[in-house]
Amino acid sequence: DAGVIQSPRHEVTEMGQEVTLRCKPISGHDYLFWYRQTMMRGLELLIYFNNNVPIDDSGMPEDRFSAKMPNASFSTLKIQPSEPRDSAVYFCASSPGTSTSGELFFGEGSRLTVL
Amino acid sequence: TQLLEQSPQFLSIQEGENLTVYCNSSSVFSSLQWYRQEPGEGPVLLVTVVTGGEVKKLKRLTFQFGDARKDSSLHITAAQTGDTGLYLCAGARGTSYDKVIFGPGTSLSVIP
Repeated sequence: DAGVIQSPRHEVTEMGQEVTLRCKPISGHDYLFWYRQTMMRGLELLIYFNNNVPIDDSGMPEDRFSAKMPNASFSTLKIQPSEPRDSAVYFCASSPGTSTSGELFFGEGSRLTVL
Repeated sequence: TQLLEQSPQFLSIQEGENLTVYCNSSSVFSSLQWYRQEPGEGPVLLVTVVTGGEVKKLKRLTFQFGDARKDSSLHITAAQTGDTGLYLCAGARGTSYDKVIFGPGTSLSVIP
């Protein structure tokens, strides 16, 4: 069975450029999450969706970040304009969502470097 | 402020040794999970504990949830090189996913 699929795996861009990260969750999972991981701050929840609807985006750093989920099988996280401090590994995860003790299934991550 | 603390931050041991890593908080959790993350990959769930005092075993790994549901430990017996990775604990403080927080992790290196 396919897991959570993220693209690109690596992205190097220059400050000011737009970055779009993509995620395909596991089929049938009702919840989709975007996390950011850095050495300094660990894993931070940016936003999560339930049935394609954003439920909580309080973790989104600022207006430069936006996320969409146009359908049950696709989500994007966009950064515009990007800044060096956005450099991190961005993870997408999905869950069947029966409870908060349920398993989060993570993708392999997108490593973003902003020069 | 880290709501979930993990110790030690780094651990390097010889193959065959035993070790324990800890996850602590001043908050009470409704459930707590342990994940292992290997380099270049996403975290993978190892176990979920929900009852205070609960002990779960997964082969050579033993997980314990504190009686007050504020802390947890992971004990590995006879560590193997395949145990190398970042061990993350994640606590749920309510019924919504924004109440799930991750600790900073313990980076374990098992040397042959």
